[in-house]
Amino acid sequence: DTAVSQTPKYLVTQMGNDKSIKCEQNLGHDTMYWYKQDSKKFLKIMFSYNNKELIINETVPNRFSPKSPDKAHLNLHINSLELGDSAVYFCASSQDRHRGPSGANVLTFGAGSRLTVL
Amino acid sequence: KQEVTQIPAALSVPEGENLVLNCSFTDSAIYNLQWFRQDPGKGLTSLLLIQSSQREQTSGRLNASLDKSSGRSTLYIAASQPGDSATYLCAVRLTGNQFYFGTGTSLTVIP
Repeated sequence: DTAVSQTPKYLVTQMGNDKSIKCEQNLGHDTMYWYKQDSKKFLKIMFSYNNKELIINETVPNRFSPKSPDKAHLNLHINSLELGDSAVYFCASSQDRHRGPSGANVLTFGAGSRLTVL
Repeated sequence: KQEVTQIPAALSVPEGENLVLNCSFTDSAIYNLQWFRQDPGKGLTSLLLIQSSQREQTSGRLNASLDKSSGRSTLYIAASQPGDSATYLCAVRLTGNQFYFGTGTSLTVIP
């Protein structure tokens, strides 16, 4: 199946721990994103990588560190987890608007990773 | 900065009704606009994408329109069904790879 897949789907951990969420896409897209969805369902961009290069880095604590080993993978590592980090984290991908047919501009989401910090 | 607003925040309709969801944006220099559906506890599913040069897109019972000059898009759902119950989000794409999301409309279709 062509998709954006992220793991784990659920993550429950204690405050102060370090955790990672992994994301992979096999759509051939060259841009990947991490979004955070809070309890009010608002989606906020955290990071965007284009061809392994960081292009968007919103105001996010530096405890959050994205890593893109190649353009099909974008992982999110979180250090010293805090209660306020509890949210659903979504990975997404898209084709760079300057490349490919217009049909490839669709932003495609993974199923989300629900992080609960106790 | 682009701001995207969706009204209403919540909508409840009886099954079979036609309905319209609204999305407005402040910067008309968009590249495209995309409508998504999100079911509780799930990810976002793309419904329709309208390029900036287009006026509307249709898929089954869904029709999305775009008026760039007025900064508006509507999602029309015909003959609503209980299975349409979900949160609907619109997102505008600007130059580069910036996407801005609305706050969503939570739709409940009552059987």
